[in-house]
Amino acid sequence: GENVEQHPSTLSVQEGDSAVIKCTYSDSASNYFPWYKQELGKRPQLIIDIRSNVGEKKDQRIAVTLNKTAKHFSLHITETQPEDSAVYFCAARRGAGGTSYGKLTFGQGTILTVHP
Amino acid sequence: EAQVTQNPRYLITVTGKKLTVTCSQNMNHEYMSWYRQDPGLGLRQIYYSMNVEVTDKGDVPEGYKVSRKEKRNFPLILESPSPNQTSLYFCASNSGGSGTQYFGPGTRLLVL
Repeated sequence: GENVEQHPSTLSVQEGDSAVIKCTYSDSASNYFPWYKQELGKRPQLIIDIRSNVGEKKDQRIAVTLNKTAKHFSLHITETQPEDSAVYFCAARRGAGGTSYGKLTFGQGTILTVHP
Repeated sequence: EAQVTQNPRYLITVTGKKLTVTCSQNMNHEYMSWYRQDPGLGLRQIYYSMNVEVTDKGDVPEGYKVSRKEKRNFPLILESPSPNQTSLYFCASNSGGSGTQYFGPGTRLLVL
């Protein structure tokens, strides 16, 4: 099955710096890669996603890049703010045409701390 | 309001006492899933369902059961809970195989 590795497990930055979180996946049939943000005591919420036919997607201060050949994708947060502090999860979803279609596999999570 | 709901939100129980955590969504989503979240291990899928009466094991199905008799509901059943099932549980739903997945608020379970 799919295996998603996420690094680093913790990341500490100063306000205004950039933060980068990287994930690798194993299943070449995966074609959808969402990123979730989970604040303390709350549910994970989607912040950005990318599909396999796109190499990069940006939404204000957040961007995601995908390298299908290398099977890795990254989350980039620019001009970080204290409210960006949270746990971030990457995930990969298998595409149609095989078993486990639609199954979402998550990385282990990254605790991001933004210091004022 | 489109949402996924879970009940109860908090539960303390004892080893061996059967329990059910309910999950309901009002978005007419085909897909529903159960995850458990443990420190350092991320979100691990327990079971998922692609539609009514269609379920499949996730990565950590041992000790759990599910059913999908109606499209909106996907209860998680622990027939004989054990302390290693102490965890934070999330239900989620999404439309089809490629839609955005929405999470419920979570159920924190403690098994003594």
